[in-house]
Amino acid sequence: DVKVTQSSRYLVKRTGEKVFLECVQDMDHENMFWYRQDPGLGLRLIYFSYDVKMKEKGDIPEGYSVSREKKERFSLILESASTNQTSMYLCASSRRGNQPQHFGDGTRLSIL
Amino acid sequence: SQQGEEDPQALSIQEGENATMNCSYKTSINNLQWYRQNSGRGLVHLILIRSNEREKHSGRLRVTLDTSKKSSSLLITASRAADTASYFCATDAGGATNKLIFGTGTLLAVQP
Repeated sequence: DVKVTQSSRYLVKRTGEKVFLECVQDMDHENMFWYRQDPGLGLRLIYFSYDVKMKEKGDIPEGYSVSREKKERFSLILESASTNQTSMYLCASSRRGNQPQHFGDGTRLSIL
Repeated sequence: SQQGEEDPQALSIQEGENATMNCSYKTSINNLQWYRQNSGRGLVHLILIRSNEREKHSGRLRVTLDTSKKSSSLLITASRAADTASYFCATDAGGATNKLIFGTGTLLAVQP
C-alpha cells in the first residue's frame, strides 16, 4: 500500500515565523501535491511537483513556497506565517498519467 | 477555480438505505474521480471513471458519468454507519501532472 506521511498532525506557530511542512511518500511517485482545505471551500491546490526540483504554482501559491530535492520528499514552506494561513494542509502523491492521488492524514496548522 | 460542485451539501440517511451524491463540473475532462474523507483524516480514493465510460461499479459503489451534461453521480447501496464521511468529486483535465480540481464535498451521515 502507498504511504504518504506528513511530519506533524497538529502544529501551532506564531505570526511571522517561517514554517516547514514535510511530506514523504514511499512509492516512487513522480507527482506530489500540496493542498489546503478550509470549510466551505473544499481543497485548493497550492503547489505541485512533477519531478525532482520541478514545481508549478497551483491556484493559491501566494505566501507559500515549496522544495523537492529528492523524489520522495516534498516540503511546503510558509515564508512568514500569517493568521489567514491557519488551515488543514494535505499532501498527496501520484504516478504520471491519469492515476489517482494518495493522501497523507493532513497537518492542522494554527497560526496565532 | 472550483470545478466540481457537489449536491447535496449534506445528506442524512438510515442504515440500509441508499445514498446518492451528485457532482457537476464546467469544462472537458479526461476522467472524474471520487474520494472519501473521514473526519480529521486525509482523502481516500474510491473510484475513477474515464470520459469514455458511462458507468462503473466497485463493491457497493456505483458511479455514473454523463459528459453531455457535465455531471456524475455516486451511489452507495445498503449504507452502513461506517460510510459516514465527506465525499468529494475531482476532475482531471488530462496530462502527465494529474492535476485535480476538487468540489466542495457532500457530508454523509448514516444513522445506525
